[in-house]
Amino acid sequence: DSGVTQTPKHLITATGQRVTLRCSPRSGDLSVYWYQQSLDQGLQFLIQYYNGEERAKGNILERFSAQQFPDLHSELNLSSLELGDSALYFCASSVVASGELFFGEGSRLTVL
Amino acid sequence: GQSLEQPSEVTAVEGAIVQINCTYQTSGFYGLSWYQQHDGGAPTFLSYNGLDGLEETGRFSSFLSRSDSYGYLLLQELQMKDSASYFCAVSNQAGTALIFGKGTTLSVSS
Repeated sequence: DSGVTQTPKHLITATGQRVTLRCSPRSGDLSVYWYQQSLDQGLQFLIQYYNGEERAKGNILERFSAQQFPDLHSELNLSSLELGDSALYFCASSVVASGELFFGEGSRLTVL
Repeated sequence: GQSLEQPSEVTAVEGAIVQINCTYQTSGFYGLSWYQQHDGGAPTFLSYNGLDGLEETGRFSSFLSRSDSYGYLLLQELQMKDSASYFCAVSNQAGTALIFGKGTTLSVSS
């Protein structure tokens, strides 16, 4: 158990819909990262937050947005969903960069 | 931008030694990490190299050559449970996100 909690574990929805994925980082970790993993693909970095502020952006689509709240939990919002958005979405957290991220179990999104 | 290259697949037998190479191109470089991921599971941290040389953690070792933009993960005394995907990842400065390679699928047979 990494200490990072993600909900929901599974989500099935239809094209055009909007979903919200939630992440609670490890206690004490200020950085939260979101990654997308499609079938047979690596981990694509989406966005990073540090202590409530956006720190870095990766290949995040304009239809996606995220935020980190004062209690340090984070939410990833995916809107106008397309079939290609079906993927595993991972949240990870860390205290300070040491190359070691702690990943949650992921949220598996299926868009039909 | 950043790019990482690693082999897509490696096969080996129990008890053997396998090396997974990773070459990278980055605009800046802070360190190279390795992660293991079993099918559908969460990636888990294996090792980190910030400086040139070898880091050893049990059956796993990782090496980095900054001048060659190259690293590798060495897995010894392979076990069936080592069958998984292995990802190298780079960070270009302290506190920033890791950029991952596409991963190497290791299959260990008896």
